Amino acid sequence: DQQVKQNSPSLSVQEGRISILNCDYTNSMFDYFLWYKKYPAEGPTFLISISSIKDKNEDGRFTVFLNKSAKHLSLHIVPSQPGDSAVYFCAAGIYNQGGKLIFGQGTELSVKP
Amino acid sequence: EPEVTQTPSHQVTQMGQEVILRCVPISNHLYFYWYRQILGQKVEFLVSFYNNEISEKSEIFDDQFSVERPDGSNFTLKIRSTKLEDSAMYFCASSEWDRNEQFFGPGTRLTVL
Repeated sequence: DQQVKQNSPSLSVQEGRISILNCDYTNSMFDYFLWYKKYPAEGPTFLISISSIKDKNEDGRFTVFLNKSAKHLSLHIVPSQPGDSAVYFCAAGIYNQGGKLIFGQGTELSVKP
Repeated sequence: EPEVTQTPSHQVTQMGQEVILRCVPISNHLYFYWYRQILGQKVEFLVSFYNNEISEKSEIFDDQFSVERPDGSNFTLKIRSTKLEDSAMYFCASSEWDRNEQFFGPGTRLTVL
């Protein structure tokens, strides 16, 4: 199932700088998108979401941008901190599909002090 | 802060045996989910459950799988006759509604020998 893709398996950023994680999708029917963070041996932790009718949502250091025409979303983390080092997953869902989420492959972010 | 819990953290079983994975969702949530992640692969949706019924299921969720909410707190995933390819991390999740963010448990690592 390749409906949600994260083409960068890893990203390395200096502490204090911006981290930009990207996600592409193919299904124009997706109604909402979410970003999750995952540490080893833990379950995914919800970070931020965006409805398909919006193009930006912000929560503290995290901002998600949605470009529907390009079928692309991105997560910006500013400023990046070493504790942000984790695997980041984007996920997408369609209303009336029982909450089923389609996940990307994940991008491993490393924030160096 | 309320959280989703899962037991056991690690289950080892012989091929052909039945396993039951247990989850306690967040108490005021109405939707419950199972996902799995085979090593090195994406997180994959298995099933969602609402009002004591399956709301949505994936192609993976065949007759070997079943879910149950045996009481007011537990949510279980049963695999009737395990196969080698069922080895994976199994994550339980819950949400207030099907379009809200889902909160994941820490996972159960299932190893089928």
